Amino acid sequence: QKEVEQDPGPLSVPEGAIVSLNCTYSNSAFQYFMWYRQYSRKGPELLMYTYSSGNKEDGRFTAQVDKSSKYISLFIRDSQPSDSATYLCVEWSNYKLTFGKGTLLTVNP
Amino acid sequence: DTGVSQNPRHKITKRGQNVTFRCDPISEHNRLYWYRQTLGQGPEFLTYFQNEAQLEKSRLLSDRFSAERPKGSFSTLEIQRTEQGDSAMYLCASSAGQGELAANIQYFGAGTRLSVL
Repeated sequence: QKEVEQDPGPLSVPEGAIVSLNCTYSNSAFQYFMWYRQYSRKGPELLMYTYSSGNKEDGRFTAQVDKSSKYISLFIRDSQPSDSATYLCVEWSNYKLTFGKGTLLTVNP
Repeated sequence: DTGVSQNPRHKITKRGQNVTFRCDPISEHNRLYWYRQTLGQGPEFLTYFQNEAQLEKSRLLSDRFSAERPKGSFSTLEIQRTEQGDSAMYLCASSAGQGELAANIQYFGAGTRLSVL
């Protein structure tokens, strides 16, 4: 079983929609969780990170972690065409990033 | 300095040839990482350096792969006797140092896309 499981999609939504992206993880020792965004032909860039259960908000983005169920979510409010990208769920342990497969999101104008 | 720089952006080679990629990290970042990403997958960790010391290598890094970081600045990743299965995007990242996550965010380059014919 892969350590970080993520539904690869693809996911297509109209502009302005609320988007929900989800991951599960298997290793109870994981402590830090991140979301990276990757545009086509580019390297991943960090969106948000958190290390505790609960919600963390940054503008239109909210990251949610539930350690009891090993479930990680990213919500995007008022989605924009510029949000079209692959979203990668990531666990950070000391020095190494463990990535999910990524979910390809398309926001249609 | 605007970020992590990788060269070349795209490399096409014939099976059996050797290839070398270069990564220039963000200035003063003492940690440097290599990842490999195949189509439809997330990046997978290959190896990382703290300054010039290579501290860990993934089992994904076969004997045909070697990475160096002389003088703790830029790094090179060499693949000898390339195989078609080596075709992938090779990503480099760097971070400022060790300790808590906030001080060790990894910043990625745009990658080198390798195509082995």
